[in-house]
Formats: sequence, structure tokens, C-alpha cells
Amino acid sequence: AQRVTQPEKLLSVFKGAPVELKCNYSYSGSPELFWYVQYSRQRLQLLLRHISRESIKGFTADLNKGETSFHLKKPFAQEEDSAMYYCALIAVHNAGGTSYGKLTFGQGTILTVHP
Amino acid sequence: NAGVTQTPKFQVLKTGQSMTLQCAQDMNHNSMYWYRQDPGMGLRLIYYSASEGTTDKGEVPNGYNVSRLNKREFSLRLESAAPSQTSVYFCASSGGITQPQHFGDGTRLSIL
Repeated sequence: AQRVTQPEKLLSVFKGAPVELKCNYSYSGSPELFWYVQYSRQRLQLLLRHISRESIKGFTADLNKGETSFHLKKPFAQEEDSAMYYCALIAVHNAGGTSYGKLTFGQGTILTVHP
Repeated sequence: NAGVTQTPKFQVLKTGQSMTLQCAQDMNHNSMYWYRQDPGMGLRLIYYSASEGTTDKGEVPNGYNVSRLNKREFSLRLESAAPSQTSVYFCASSGGITQPQHFGDGTRLSIL
């Protein structure tokens, strides 16, 4: 069974400081990993996916298969980055001849960026 | 672009009452999902529908039922609401097995 662990429930930094949100996973197959962000009382939005290897809003994340990690990083945090961040993994399952992706979330990290 | 639309946005129920949460997507996605979000628990999958005509249980299905009415719509029903079902409910859809899921705005449900 797949598992996603975000060890920090809360993370506080000051504006302009670097930030790293940790994510570790366990999955026997080839992982598809994502970071989602949820701003206060808004819907979850996709922030990053590992296969795209892009930078969104200054955030990057690198998949490290050796350490089974997918940490989210930003060199200079901004106040508008304050939000809940979820790391998530898609595992492919088969049910009744149909394949589908089951998304497993970590418990989330609340990032607060102070002025 | 509506994406994933959930109704209602807020609801208060009394213990034992029933209700249906509605979800519709306009992205022609095959797969749809219902999650609940609770403090300290993250998001947990209640039910999913891999494709039209199929539904299966997720991590926390007890007390819920679902209907995949057509390709666009996937509803979640609470037959006899309990205070433990107080939560924020999110519907999501995805276009492919390993594609990102798109979420609705959520329904805040309180059961007294």
C-alpha cells in the first residue's frame, strides 16, 4: 500500500527566507507525485507534478527515488505563500478490469510566512 | 470554465437526517472522487468512480453511498447523518489514470 508522510504539520518562516516542505513516500511501483496548495477557504489547486519539472510561483520539487522524497522548496518565501500544502501520490489500481489512479495525500503542512 | 462544481456550499443537518451532495464536472473526465477533509487527518477518499457506471469504496466509506449518474455527475449521499460526519467534503475529477485531479470548492457540512 502507498503512503505519503509530511512530517511537519506547521512551518513558520519570515518573508525572504528559504522554505522547504518535506514529503516522503512509500510505494512499490513507479510514483507519480504532486504538490497541491490550498489557500484559506479555497479549493485545492495543483501546484507541481514531478514529471513536468517546472517551477510554479517560485516553487520547485525534485523527486529523489533513493531517499523516496519529494520535498518542496522556494528560495525566498513571500507572505502570499501562506497556505496549506499537500504532497500526494498517485498509485495505479485495477478494479474489475478497469485501471484508475488512486490519489493518496499526506496530512498536509500549514506554511505561515511572517512579514 | 466551471471545472468541478459542488452544491451546496454549506449545510447544517440534525443527527439522523439525510442529504445528497451534488458534484458535476464539465471537463469530460472519466474518473471522479469524493474526499473528506478533517483537521489533522488531511484528505481521505470516501468513494471513487473510475468510469461511468462504476463506483468503489475508498478509505472511509461507512455511512455514505454514491451514484455516478452519468459521465458528468457524481453524488454523495448521507442516509442518516451523524456528528462524526461533520467535515468539509471535496469532489474531484481526473482525465486519466495518472493525471492530476481537479477539485471543487468543497461543501462545509455540520451535523448537530
